[in-house]
Amino acid sequence: DTAVSQTPKYLVTQMGNDKSIKCEQNLGHDTMYWYKQDSKKFLKIMFSYNNKELIINETVPNRFSPKSPDKAHLNLHINSLELGDSAVYFCASSRGVREQFFGPGTRLTVL
Amino acid sequence: AQTVTQSQPEMSVQEAETVTLSCTYDTSESNYYLFWYKQPPSRQMILVIRQEAYKQQNATENRFSVNFQKAAKSFSLKISDSQLGDTAMYFCAFMKRNNAGNMLTFGGGTRLMVKP
Repeated sequence: DTAVSQTPKYLVTQMGNDKSIKCEQNLGHDTMYWYKQDSKKFLKIMFSYNNKELIINETVPNRFSPKSPDKAHLNLHINSLELGDSAVYFCASSRGVREQFFGPGTRLTVL
Repeated sequence: AQTVTQSQPEMSVQEAETVTLSCTYDTSESNYYLFWYKQPPSRQMILVIRQEAYKQQNATENRFSVNFQKAAKSFSLKISDSQLGDTAMYFCAFMKRNNAGNMLTFGGGTRLMVKP
């Protein structure tokens, strides 16, 4: 069984469109995250949710809106996509202050 | 704010040999965790090893071990008996122990190639 899953794995879209990436974890963890990995492989935190509440928002543009319907899901919605949004987006989860388990990533390409 | 530096963008090693990847970090925190993650070409992020800063003993996981020097803020990863499957990007990461958000701060990564 997949521990942290993301859909879709690949997403190609035009500038200006709105898209969503879904994440689900079946590990019973209470904290979920979104990270962005740019073209130079640099990884940076975007958001952190604990028990469905936003804990961290690391200076991410308002076009990015995370939504956590329950503790097992953390979705990422992106409005008005820009070329610079092209990246790999990783979802992760953890139980409190413990190691994080990552999903397979979603490669977003904005044309 | 914490920073993590990996000074070796790329490294290579012969199969069966030993290689050490360097990582230094800067923090004013006293309680924290350090991690090494592996990212093979499949792009999946895989936890390799974890070290708790309050533990003096260096962590070990099979062929992977760390040299944790808290005073020097250094956290290197040693891979023994390198295997072809170890070819990957390796990321060093820092996490504050009391951080409610538990965010990881990553280094820039080291690309390791294991040669047959």
